[in-house]
Amino acid sequence: DAKTTQPPSMDCAEGRAANLPCNHSTISGNEYVYWYRQIHSQGPQYIIHGLKNNETNEMASLIITEDRKSSTLILPHATLRDTAVYYCIVRVWVQGAQKLVFGQGTRLTINP
Amino acid sequence: EPEVTQTPSHQVTQMGQEVILRCVPISNHLYFYWYRQILGQKVEFLVSFYNNEISEKSEIFDDQFSVERPDGSNFTLKIRSTKLEDSAMYFCASSVGTGGEQYFGPGTRLTVT
Repeated sequence: DAKTTQPPSMDCAEGRAANLPCNHSTISGNEYVYWYRQIHSQGPQYIIHGLKNNETNEMASLIITEDRKSSTLILPHATLRDTAVYYCIVRVWVQGAQKLVFGQGTRLTINP
Repeated sequence: EPEVTQTPSHQVTQMGQEVILRCVPISNHLYFYWYRQILGQKVEFLVSFYNNEISEKSEIFDDQFSVERPDGSNFTLKIRSTKLEDSAMYFCASSVGTGGEQYFGPGTRLTVT
């Protein structure tokens, strides 16, 4: 699976959009970009994933650049409850159980 | 909304003792996983399980560890003889299919003294 690079920490004001970048310059054509988050010591929570098109769900939007070498997770109206560590994970879609490989992620702090 | 549950939430045990951590995955999910997170460190994969067999295991998952799906609902992780370094949060996860998103439980905090 391709390596990802994320900033170690970011701050965002409550109510503003939080934009979390991820670099995955060695991504290959059959690798998806997944985003998870971990609030305090809770279990990681799936947010969104995509292959090459931009994706949106009730939690967030995922913007993947045309060359797929980077992506941005957007939380449109951040709240205090969005304070968490956000993980960008790149992995191949294959048949069978597939592990997730977590990096250090980005610690996002939402400030009142 | 269905969720993965884990029991107990906190387990304290003495070094050398056996522990069993329990998980109830989401009912229609077919793939099951255990991860652990030592305090202040990354979440690490331990093992994946499908069709009553281990699909993949990490180097951490040595002979002291075993997993079982004893009935149609529970998924357990057993550590035969705990060591101090096994102290960590243990997360169970499940997914409905391959390549799909994984849903994690709240974790069991294991403290080995």
